[in-house]
Amino acid sequence: GAVVSQHPSWVICKSGTSVKIECRSLDFQATTMFWYRQFPKQSLMLMATSNEGSKATYEQGVEKDKFLINHASLTLSTLTVTSAHPEDSSFYICSARGLASVTGELFFGEGSRLTVL
Amino acid sequence: LAKTTQPISMDSYEGQEVNITCSHNNIATNDYITWYQQFPSQGPRFIIQGYKTKVTNEVASLFIPADRKSSTLSLPRVSLSDTAVYYCLVGDIRETDKLIFGTGTRLQVFP
Repeated sequence: GAVVSQHPSWVICKSGTSVKIECRSLDFQATTMFWYRQFPKQSLMLMATSNEGSKATYEQGVEKDKFLINHASLTLSTLTVTSAHPEDSSFYICSARGLASVTGELFFGEGSRLTVL
Repeated sequence: LAKTTQPISMDSYEGQEVNITCSHNNIATNDYITWYQQFPSQGPRFIIQGYKTKVTNEVASLFIPADRKSSTLSLPRVSLSDTAVYYCLVGDIRETDKLIFGTGTRLQVFP
């Protein structure tokens, strides 16, 4: 099946720094990417939806200036957590939808665990 | 996406069949039913998708009654490695710009 890769898989940073997480579709063109955040023992929470070449649409309560999403190409979307704080520590997961997705199967990345000290 | 309701958790033993039911009373005509599996610290993995009646693949079966207001994921002869969280999503995933996950069902398989 199609592959979505996230990088880094885990990152530790100091409070106040910015962290960038990349999400790549390796063998298909992703017209739409979804970014999620997941806290321990909880479900995935949708943060934003990004379409290639357009500004991301953020869910209510998600600060667009803090979580910068760029979807500049059909194979790459990035999430930048700016001025990270300990409460931003979480598991971030991206999902990609292909250009010609027939069944509607979404492909998820492996996730990126962010720990802010 | 239509709101879904699943049991929070289920327990089973190795070798048993596990059935997880999802309620989706507000399912729309164009909506599909898709199930994902998630292991700790990993992204969700597609299991199966259906629109009506029964769908079977090498991993699971999906039963959908005629009114489509619910669906049942059936895992035959579970093993310890099937311990995971299972999510039911309802909607037209090809079109939607909002892919919302419900609480999911945490399945624990015991030896």
